[in-house]
Amino acid sequence: DVVMTQTPVSLSLAIGQPASISCKSSQSLLGTSGKTFLNWILQRPGQSPKRLIYQVSKLYSEVPDRFSGSGSETEFTLKISRVEAEDLGVYYCWQGTHFPYTFGAGTKLELK
Amino acid sequence: EVQLVESGGSLVQPGGSLKLSCVASGYTFSNYWMDWVRQTPGKSLEWIGEINTDGSKTNYAPSIKDRFTISRDNAKSTLYLQMSNVKSDDTAIYYCTRTLGYWGQGVMVTVSS
Repeated sequence: DVVMTQTPVSLSLAIGQPASISCKSSQSLLGTSGKTFLNWILQRPGQSPKRLIYQVSKLYSEVPDRFSGSGSETEFTLKISRVEAEDLGVYYCWQGTHFPYTFGAGTKLELK
Repeated sequence: EVQLVESGGSLVQPGGSLKLSCVASGYTFSNYWMDWVRQTPGKSLEWIGEINTDGSKTNYAPSIKDRFTISRDNAKSTLYLQMSNVKSDDTAIYYCTRTLGYWGQGVMVTVSS
């Protein structure tokens, strides 16, 4: 299985500060289609996960543009330009290139 | 608005069986692949498997293959997860998802004697 490694495990930031989360995969996520199925989701406290970013850098329509994704092959990054209160929760990367799909262990964003 | 509502979670004994359901609304159910994902008490997420639009093709995680079966009824906009020979490690919150983009609220399954 593809192992997804996220760092840091937790982040404590003040509102308005930037955030950066790393996600590394144990093998390349570039598929035979030429697409890279690396995605990000956010699980707010007490809620089910919600979609954020797909195929590395594409934001879903409802996601604020303070979020951005980048990377290739095995190294990926989620950035928040300025953290807001509604951004707290656990961020997970997951890959959909190789079966079985696998998730990172999560990065918990807390507010200072 | 896309909504996914799971049901059927309960306490089940090791070796027992359970069937989860997920009713979808707010979109054309038959147009989308569907997945099941679970979240253990330790909070990690594990993909269980997926089913194609007409139910003719499924893919499963090796960890659960041959014990769990995913099916769907497009006429009822309903997704199912049949769980058999359950183990204590199957204790988790089970989520129905539309290709891991939209998620239901989850349903708790506890395997214990």
